[in-house]
Amino acid sequence: ILNVEQSPQSLHVQEGDSTNFTCSFPSSNFYALHWYRWETAKSPEALFVMTLNGDEKKKGRISATLNTKEGYSYLYIKGSQPEDSATYLCAFDTGRRALTFGSGTRLQVQP
Amino acid sequence: KAGVTQTPRYLIKTRGQQVTLSCSPISGHRSVSWYQQTPGQGLQFLFEYFSETQRNKGNFPGRFSGRQFSNSRSEMNVSTLELGDSALYLCASSMQGFRTDTQYFGPGTRLTVL
Repeated sequence: ILNVEQSPQSLHVQEGDSTNFTCSFPSSNFYALHWYRWETAKSPEALFVMTLNGDEKKKGRISATLNTKEGYSYLYIKGSQPEDSATYLCAFDTGRRALTFGSGTRLQVQP
Repeated sequence: KAGVTQTPRYLIKTRGQQVTLSCSPISGHRSVSWYQQTPGQGLQFLFEYFSETQRNKGNFPGRFSGRQFSNSRSEMNVSTLELGDSALYLCASSMQGFRTDTQYFGPGTRLTVL
């Protein structure tokens, strides 16, 4: 059974704060790591697909890094805004196209 | 481009019944995956289809089945419903399911089993 862990479980920050979350995954059989953002009552929104050790991806104020050797990925949000409030999920892929999801980090940004 | 659509959005069934959920992928996408989300277990992989063939299956009982049609639309079926099958069922589509392919999710079908 694959274990994908995310921390923290939840986070409350003020508007303008920068924040980061961690996703830990098995360092063996790595194929890809996906990050999603999921707002209540909406579809999960794809943020990044990361495949290479050392990958860094950026989308606006959100960026992510990947370390496959030690089995972790960081997601950073610079200057958080209330609209960033959502659950952020990472998902590990061993190549079977069967994503194993972490339990998510719930972010609440206070105006 | 239209996103992934799922029908129906909400369903209420009773124990012992069966249910069929439908997923229409993004145009041009040939891979469709299904996931179950429950409060206790989070998002769990059910199965993945590509060109009408099931390529992978998660750890779910045989009551859960699916299929994919030639137009890439997919259905999943749950027979002999149990209370524990109450969940949000999400489908996701991708171009071909390659390593760098993004899986795009639909809004889900909320199934309640009474």
